Amino acid sequence: AQSVSQHNHHVILSEAASLELGCNYSYGGTVNLFWYVQYPGQHLQLLLKYFSGDPLVKGIKGFEAEFIKSKFSFNLRKPSVQWSDTAEYFCAVNPGAGSYQLTFGKGTKLSVIP
Amino acid sequence: GAGVSQSPSNKVTEKGKDVELRCDPISGHTALYWYRQSLGQGLEFLIYFQGNSAPDKSGLPSDRFSAERTGGSVSTLTIQRTQQEDSAVYLCASSPRRTQETQYFGPGTRLLVL
Repeated sequence: AQSVSQHNHHVILSEAASLELGCNYSYGGTVNLFWYVQYPGQHLQLLLKYFSGDPLVKGIKGFEAEFIKSKFSFNLRKPSVQWSDTAEYFCAVNPGAGSYQLTFGKGTKLSVIP
Repeated sequence: GAGVSQSPSNKVTEKGKDVELRCDPISGHTALYWYRQSLGQGLEFLIYFQGNSAPDKSGLPSDRFSAERTGGSVSTLTIQRTQQEDSAVYLCASSPRRTQETQYFGPGTRLLVL
């Protein structure tokens, strides 16, 4: 069965620091990759997604992620975080090619200190 | 436009009671998903509906869990004889196509079993 690992449970950063959240998945075939974000008190919402093409994908609010197939990774990055980025971030995968359910990582809580 | 809505937003019940959780997907979305978000467990897939096809129930944790989708729209997740380990946030999502389209999440129902 496929699985998704997020390396950090809780990350604490000061404003303007750079962010990288790790995500690795275990699945040998074609995958679709997602990062979702859950701000305090709000719904899960899509941050960015990768289906095919350029492995460097850009999402909302200045976030980007790079798909490295050889490393089974899809790390999320942001060059300079803001206090408003405080949220929980979830990496998710589905195998594509007719698959539908998402397998999520356990999430990384990001706290940004003003 | 209106997003995915879920009701109730919170539910407290006693162990052994049955509960029903409701999901209204985005109008026109043919696929509907239920997930469970437990403390420390991340999001787990429960069940998936696509149009009038038989649902994929492979994620349901026990036979106490069941779900229906009436008229291809509203869905109800029923948990019979609730147990304390059923306490979690139950999330519903919908998408306009079965496979590669993004899933749009509702706000969830927070269930507490005493």
